[in-house]
Amino acid sequence: DADVTQTPRNRITKTGKRIMLECSQTKGHDRMYWYRQDPGLGLRLIYYSFDVKDINKGEISDGYSVSRQAQAKFSLSLESAIPNQTALYFCATSDYGLAGGGTGELFFGEGSRLTVL
Amino acid sequence: AQKVTQAQTEISVVEKEDVTLDCVYETRDTTYYLFWYKQPPSGELVFLIRRNSFDEQNEISGRYSWNFQKSTSSFNFTITASQVVDSAVYFCALSEEITGNQFYFGTGTSLTVIP
Repeated sequence: DADVTQTPRNRITKTGKRIMLECSQTKGHDRMYWYRQDPGLGLRLIYYSFDVKDINKGEISDGYSVSRQAQAKFSLSLESAIPNQTALYFCATSDYGLAGGGTGELFFGEGSRLTVL
Repeated sequence: AQKVTQAQTEISVVEKEDVTLDCVYETRDTTYYLFWYKQPPSGELVFLIRRNSFDEQNEISGRYSWNFQKSTSSFNFTITASQVVDSAVYFCALSEEITGNQFYFGTGTSLTVIP
C-alpha cells in the first residue's frame, strides 16, 4: 500500500459543486501539504499543516479550505468549484529535515485529477 | 521572485544522447535542501535525489548524475545515454529551514527522448 493515499484519483464535477479531496498517510509525519499542478506552472502550494493544530495558507489558497482531522489525515475542499480549478492535485508529507534528524524529503501521493465543467 | 528557475521548458534528444537539465535557485538561508523529482506520463511524482546545503559533493547514480555548485547557485541534472523511459517532466525544488522547510518548485522541464 502507498504511504500517502489520495482519494478520489479522478473526479469530474460541475461548476458550483462542493468537492472534497482526501489524503491519508502512514509515514507518521506531522507535516502535510496540498499542491496544485497546472501545465507550465509547476507545483503551487495551496495549504500546509505542520501539526494537527497548525494550518497555514500557501500561495494560492483562495477558493480552497482544508481540515486536518488527525495526524494522518488532511483534506482539501473546494466549497464551490469553478472551471479554473481544473488541475492535478497532490498531497504530500515531510519530516522535520536535518534539524529534526530527518531527510527533509517530500513524499507525494499519486495525485487527484479534478475536472470542473 | 522565483526561488527555483528551470529555464528549459522543453528538451528533445535522440536516444543515447546525454542531456543536462538546468536548475538555478535563490536563497539567503544557510541550511537548505535541493531535490529533483521525475513525473512520468502516468503522473506520479518520483523522488530522484536530495542534497543538503552542506554537502556539495556531486553524485552519480547509474546513468544519472547531479552537479551541485553553491558558487553559482545551481543544481544541474545530467542523464547519460538517455533512454525512451527517461521521457518525463523533471522538477527541481528548494526547501529552506528558515521557512520551516517550505518547498519551492521550479516550473519543470519536459524531456522527450526520441527513439
